[in-house]
Amino acid sequence: DSGVTQTPKHLITATGQRVTLRCSPRSGDLSVYWYQQSLDQGLQFLIQYYNGEERAKGNILERFSAQQFPDLHSELNLSSLELGDSALYFCASSGGLAGTETQYFGPGTRLLVL
Amino acid sequence: QKEVEQDPGPLSVPEGAIVSLNCTYSNSAFQYFMWYRQYSRKGPELLMYTYSSGNKEDGRFTAQVDKSSKYISLFIRDSQPSDSATYLCAMRETSGSRLTFGEGTQLTVNP
Repeated sequence: DSGVTQTPKHLITATGQRVTLRCSPRSGDLSVYWYQQSLDQGLQFLIQYYNGEERAKGNILERFSAQQFPDLHSELNLSSLELGDSALYFCASSGGLAGTETQYFGPGTRLLVL
Repeated sequence: QKEVEQDPGPLSVPEGAIVSLNCTYSNSAFQYFMWYRQYSRKGPELLMYTYSSGNKEDGRFTAQVDKSSKYISLFIRDSQPSDSATYLCAMRETSGSRLTFGEGTQLTVNP
């Protein structure tokens, strides 16, 4: 158990809908990262938050957004869902800003868009 | 061209075999190199973490980095059925925090 929790574990929804994925980092970790893992693209970095502020952005679509709250949990919002958004979404956390520390991954949320 | 290339396998070996997993990369700025293990439907778990070139050993696992060739390897000695998983290489630049992953190699160790 990495100490990173994600909810829900599974999500099935329809095209055009909006969903919210939730992540709680390990106790004391200030950085939260979101990754998408799909069959054709592998594991790809989406976005990083540090202590409530966006710090780095990767291949995140405009339809996707994230935020980190004062209690350090983070939410990833996916809207206008398409079939191609079906994937595993992982949250990871680390202690600091630069990411030199180990990134610990949560168990993931499996999203299926029908 | 992808920044990190990894043979997706699948790789099937008998118990006790030495396993060699490899990744190549194109970004010279990568300085930190990691190997993650991912069991089916689980989150990636860090196995090895190395900085720059050289070797690092931890039990049955050895990680090697050759920056001149832009090539990293993970060796698993005396492989066990419990090692059956997907192994992902990951890399990071000094100045950044994002990890860039290889596709992952699916390994099966047969008893």
